[in-house]
Amino acid sequence: TQLLEQSPQFLSIQEGENLTVYCNSSSVFSSLQWYRQEPGEGPVLLVTVVTGGEVKKLKRLTFQFGDARKDSSLHITAAQPGDTGLYLCAGEGFGNEKLTFGTGTRLTIIP
Amino acid sequence: NAGVTQTPKFQVLKTGQSMTLQCAQDMNHNSMYWYRQDPGMGLRLIYYSASEGTTDKGEVPNGYNVSRLNKREFSLRLESAAPSQTSVYFCASSVDEATAYQPQHFGDGTRLSIL
Repeated sequence: TQLLEQSPQFLSIQEGENLTVYCNSSSVFSSLQWYRQEPGEGPVLLVTVVTGGEVKKLKRLTFQFGDARKDSSLHITAAQPGDTGLYLCAGEGFGNEKLTFGTGTRLTIIP
Repeated sequence: NAGVTQTPKFQVLKTGQSMTLQCAQDMNHNSMYWYRQDPGMGLRLIYYSASEGTTDKGEVPNGYNVSRLNKREFSLRLESAAPSQTSVYFCASSVDEATAYQPQHFGDGTRLSIL
């Protein structure tokens, strides 16, 4: 079973600050997805990165896939209360391997 | 725009009771999945169905059974509930599990407590 460790597990910062959360593994993935989950709801896909070194931007969110395709980061600029939620990374293996979800980072943005 | 619908949203059971969690999707997706979510452990795959008529075990299948009733519906059954099965259960679907980079669409979960 491939493992995905996310750090930090919890993060609480003031509105307007910048932050980075990480998703790390010893395994190589063919692609990596980032989801955000709000209380009482299921995860919702934010982005998929598929190429080593790839950087994707979604408004104030910047996602990067590591060159070796074993890790990824999510950087949020000028965090807003609406960014509050549980951020999950999920790696897709090769062949018929199923999606492996990370342990999650619970982010709280304080107004 | 229903997407993936799970019922019930909340349930409390006594140890040893049985229950079926229901899931239906209206996106004409081929593949469906059942996950459990526990604090600090992310989402763990219980069972999945790559297409109508097929089901396979995931990472944590013990104590569960599934039925792919038709293309839309995928149910999860607990035959004899145990306190260790207290969790939030999510159903998800995707277009086709054999296609790379497939996003999964999730329901809002069933919060299950076993006393």
